[in-house]
Amino acid sequence: NAGVMQNPRHLVRRRGQEARLRCSPMKGHSHVYWYRQLPEEGLKFMVYLQKENIIDESGMPKERFSAEFPKEGPSILRIQQVVRGDSAAYFCASSLGTASNEKLFFGSGTQLSVL
Amino acid sequence: GQSLEQPSEVTAVEGAIVQINCTYQTSGFYGLSWYQQHDGGAPTFLSYNALDGLEETGRFSSFLSRSDSYGYLLLQELQMKDSASYFCALPTNAGKSTFGDGTTLTVKP
Repeated sequence: NAGVMQNPRHLVRRRGQEARLRCSPMKGHSHVYWYRQLPEEGLKFMVYLQKENIIDESGMPKERFSAEFPKEGPSILRIQQVVRGDSAAYFCASSLGTASNEKLFFGSGTQLSVL
Repeated sequence: GQSLEQPSEVTAVEGAIVQINCTYQTSGFYGLSWYQQHDGGAPTFLSYNALDGLEETGRFSSFLSRSDSYGYLLLQELQMKDSASYFCALPTNAGKSTFGDGTTLTVKP
């Protein structure tokens, strides 16, 4: 009965490289969300996806960032040409539905460090 | 838009009671949630209030006053393991939640 699985836990990239972060939602969950967290700050919404669809990407930067949730396989958050300011913890969450009382189940996050 | 305000830090002693406040602004209210996060790990859901009043779950309770745009998380019989960050959040009916910046609770012996 695995929870939300994220990998890698830690990712180090040099400026200009690409970062790929993966997230497998809880079994039975079809709603996936990506959040970014800077030290001493809250979780900032980036994007909400369902299988093969981006539902809400209002929190995602327009350039260099993209997300997908294919029919098969995990959700991927992709950051191209990373810069130092991209260093943060990236959390994925999933839910069974979208009602306001639905719990979000979070993964353990990917800590991205850009050198 | 949506915004939430909560104190950045709270300190209390083991066995005591502590209250973490949260005020919010939103154009559409669907409830107030609380999450706990230990040492930058996975946030975990604690509670949800949609109606005014107190919801109790063991040592933790959460209160909501919609007219005051205010809620709080009450932790009783504090234990050392309760040292963590606590976030209030505004969920929507479209999946997305907006989180406050969190309150770091330090429990001292």
